[in-house]
Amino acid sequence: DTAVSQTPKYLVTQMGNDKSIKCEQNLGHDTMYWYKQDSKKFLKIMFSYNNKELIINETVPNRFSPKSPDKAHLNLHINSLELGDSAVYFCASSQDYRAARQYFGPGTRLTVT
Amino acid sequence: EDQVTQSPEALRLQEGESSSLNCSYTVSGLRGLFWYRQDPGKGPEFLFTLYSAGEEKEKERLKATLTKKESFLHITAPKPEDSATYLCAVQAISNFGNEKLTFGTGTRLTIIP
Repeated sequence: DTAVSQTPKYLVTQMGNDKSIKCEQNLGHDTMYWYKQDSKKFLKIMFSYNNKELIINETVPNRFSPKSPDKAHLNLHINSLELGDSAVYFCASSQDYRAARQYFGPGTRLTVT
Repeated sequence: EDQVTQSPEALRLQEGESSSLNCSYTVSGLRGLFWYRQDPGKGPEFLFTLYSAGEEKEKERLKATLTKKESFLHITAPKPEDSATYLCAVQAISNFGNEKLTFGTGTRLTIIP
């Protein structure tokens, strides 16, 4: 069974479009995260939710809006996509908010043309 | 702001040739230092957590050590399957007052048979 899963694996879209990425974890963890990995492999946290409550919101454009319908799911919606949004987006989870050992999903490669 | 710097950026070794990867950090109030392994097209996979200077952890051919300013990942007699990008991360306080991981840019390790 996959611990942290993301859909889709690949996403190619045009500038200005709106898209969503979904994440699910079956580990029973309380905390979930979204990370962005750029072309230089730099992995940077964007958001974190603990039991459906937003606990980390780094400097991210308002076009990015996370939603957590329950503690097993964390989705990322992106409005008005820009070229600079092209990256690999990783979802992760950890047992609690103390950001200890995190389990990462396989990533979603977003390409904006 | 928390900073994590990894060196070298890339390292090519012959099979069986031991070496070390470096992770230097500046953070206010280190809670923990993490090492992850990332294979191409996959999410990072947890290797070790170190919490205090002088601590060491081992797993197969890998040993991680920690001082007050840096961590080393020593690889002994590596095999081709050890080829991957190794990421270092520090656990510190986010702007929301919660803990988060700040990652370095990684060392891309290639083991030549």
